[in-house]
Amino acid sequence: AQTVTQSQPEMSVQEAETVTLSCTYDTSESDYYLFWYKQPPSRQMILVIRQEAYKQQNATENRFSVNFQKAAKSFSLKISDSQLGDAAMYFCAYRISGTYKYIFGTGTRLKVLA
Amino acid sequence: GAVVSQHPSRVICKSGTSVKIECRSLDFQATTMFWYRQFPKQSLMLMATSNEGSKATYEQGVEKDKFLINHASLTLSTLTVTSAHPEDSSFYICSARIPRRTSGGISQETQYFGPGTRLLVL
Repeated sequence: AQTVTQSQPEMSVQEAETVTLSCTYDTSESDYYLFWYKQPPSRQMILVIRQEAYKQQNATENRFSVNFQKAAKSFSLKISDSQLGDAAMYFCAYRISGTYKYIFGTGTRLKVLA
Repeated sequence: GAVVSQHPSRVICKSGTSVKIECRSLDFQATTMFWYRQFPKQSLMLMATSNEGSKATYEQGVEKDKFLINHASLTLSTLTVTSAHPEDSSFYICSARIPRRTSGGISQETQYFGPGTRLLVL
């Protein structure tokens, strides 16, 4: 069964600093997609970044980048130059191949300290 | 990006009543929508996959007679919580899938989430 694990329930980072959120997953598939979603206090889920498993290059979106280690089944999110608006719950998600269903991790609450 | 709306954003009802939640894709057609449930400080749990023009597919443990899903058009899916009880109080989120094809024919699908509906059953 596919599972997604986020081992850090809560993280804190100083404004303008860099923080890395961890995510590991378990799957027997070779082709899949991984995502990081942000859920601010408004509860609106916002896509932060996406990674295709067949791509070796790590995805990057402005201040957000991932470290995708396929063999280790690891998919961490790095946030550079952290801003107060980055404070939110961050969910790692895996897309089940062929079904379009997402499996979400338990989330990491990120606090940004001024 | 694409916009998905939900209505109502918040609802309070008495135990035993039914509540309908609407999920609309505002600027695109969604053949597939998903309904999630999120308990406080927990992750999103997929309840069912809603397919336009056909029956929904429910996840294991989700009562289909309790959570009625209708996807009558390409822009609207509804979730009806029948005979709601306090344990049904939760945050319900829908998402809509947009399949995208790259020039190489590889699907790069994206899901857009609605803002959620908070249900409180007294």
